[in-house]
Amino acid sequence: SQQGEEDPQALSIQEGENATMNCSYKTSINNLQWYRQNSGRGLVHLILIRSNEREKHSGRLRVTLDTSKKSSSLLITASRAADTASYFCATAGSNAGGTSYGKLTFGQGTILTVHP
Amino acid sequence: DTEVTQTPKHLVMGMTNKKSLKCEQHMGHRAMYWYKQKAKKPPELMFVYSYEKLSINESVPSRFSPECPNSSLLNLHLHALQPEDSALYLCASSHGSGRAGAKNIQYFGAGTRLSVL
Repeated sequence: SQQGEEDPQALSIQEGENATMNCSYKTSINNLQWYRQNSGRGLVHLILIRSNEREKHSGRLRVTLDTSKKSSSLLITASRAADTASYFCATAGSNAGGTSYGKLTFGQGTILTVHP
Repeated sequence: DTEVTQTPKHLVMGMTNKKSLKCEQHMGHRAMYWYKQKAKKPPELMFVYSYEKLSINESVPSRFSPECPNSSLLNLHLHALQPEDSALYLCASSHGSGRAGAKNIQYFGAGTRLSVL
């Protein structure tokens, strides 16, 4: 499997329910980020969790990170129809070279559909 | 201003045409990126520019030619494309320096939907 695998590939829920998406990765990381993409549009950064953090919250979003298992989860609580989108995790590698730009490795993504 | 602007939004071209995609940001970011995205797939990195110099080329075919005229602009010149090059082309930028740059949070444009006939 590739770096940044996500499951499920697709998730369909009713408005008001919670949505949980999972992401696994292979190499050491500096941080893990979640992005959202509405159909055919650009990606929007949602939340970042550093490698030394275990949990982070932002509004209705909750992200966890388990570096021992190389996995992360994104929980969206009280979902809304407007949350319908594709969600991607992306890992920024730990960088001994000192550069502060470079690759984000994206997961395969989860397509979330929230029915009104 | 937290916007990355891409033009055109849509582009249809023949395999013998030459066209260019444009990307602009005014956030003072020093790193800029081109990605290619096929339907229902994640973005694939093509090129990274840092301080207007090409720093990463992900073995992209020479029919794609990037250019960074200044710190705010990024172009992607297209020539002799193939139908399989049809995709959404995304531009992104990030701080590229300092503590903010170390996070590598990227800001994306809305993309150019390219169709090669």
